Amino acid sequence: SQTIHQWPATLVQPVGSPLSLECTVEGTSNPNLYWYRQAAGRGLQLLFYSIGIDQISSEVPQNLSASRPQDRQFILSSKKLLLSDSGFYLCAWSVGGGVYYTQYFGPGTRLTVL
Amino acid sequence: SQQGEEDPQALSIQEGENATMNCSYKTSINNLQWYRQNSGRGLVHLILIRSNEREKHSGRLRVTLDTSKKSSSLLITASRAADTASYFCAPDNAGNMLTFGGGTRLMVKP
Repeated sequence: SQTIHQWPATLVQPVGSPLSLECTVEGTSNPNLYWYRQAAGRGLQLLFYSIGIDQISSEVPQNLSASRPQDRQFILSSKKLLLSDSGFYLCAWSVGGGVYYTQYFGPGTRLTVL
Repeated sequence: SQQGEEDPQALSIQEGENATMNCSYKTSINNLQWYRQNSGRGLVHLILIRSNEREKHSGRLRVTLDTSKKSSSLLITASRAADTASYFCAPDNAGNMLTFGGGTRLMVKP
């Protein structure tokens, strides 16, 4: 069966510090991968999605970046965090190449920037 | 991709009552999906209804789709306290991406 992992679960970082959040998927090959951000009590904002290694699309201009160094690994990074980067970050995957794209979400990382 | 808009934003009911949430979207779709999110957790896929389907059931969940009105509804029958969560719809017309709205926050009081 497929599983998706995110770490860390929670993170408190000072403004201006770097960020690296990691997401890995097991039990599937060539998945589509997604990063979302959710502000408190709000909906999800799609940040990045990837249909393959080194194939990443950015949905929202910001000081975040994403990389996919391996087929089932998706990393969200920042060189310098802003207060507005605080939120709940969710990684998701879906089966690539199909017609219907149900997404499966990880447990999330709660980031607080102080 | 397009974003669905859920209505109401918040809903509070007693255990045992039915809960109905609505979703509207703007352009044609291939399918529409409903997800649930418990507080502080990731989203969980509940049900997918294809554009050529009008109604679909899964346990206590009933989803309808009216493509002429560009709307969908999610009905939870005989609600339980454990159904307390946020519910999101995701209309899908592009395949690779889903866009989620603000969701409906459901509170089921025991």
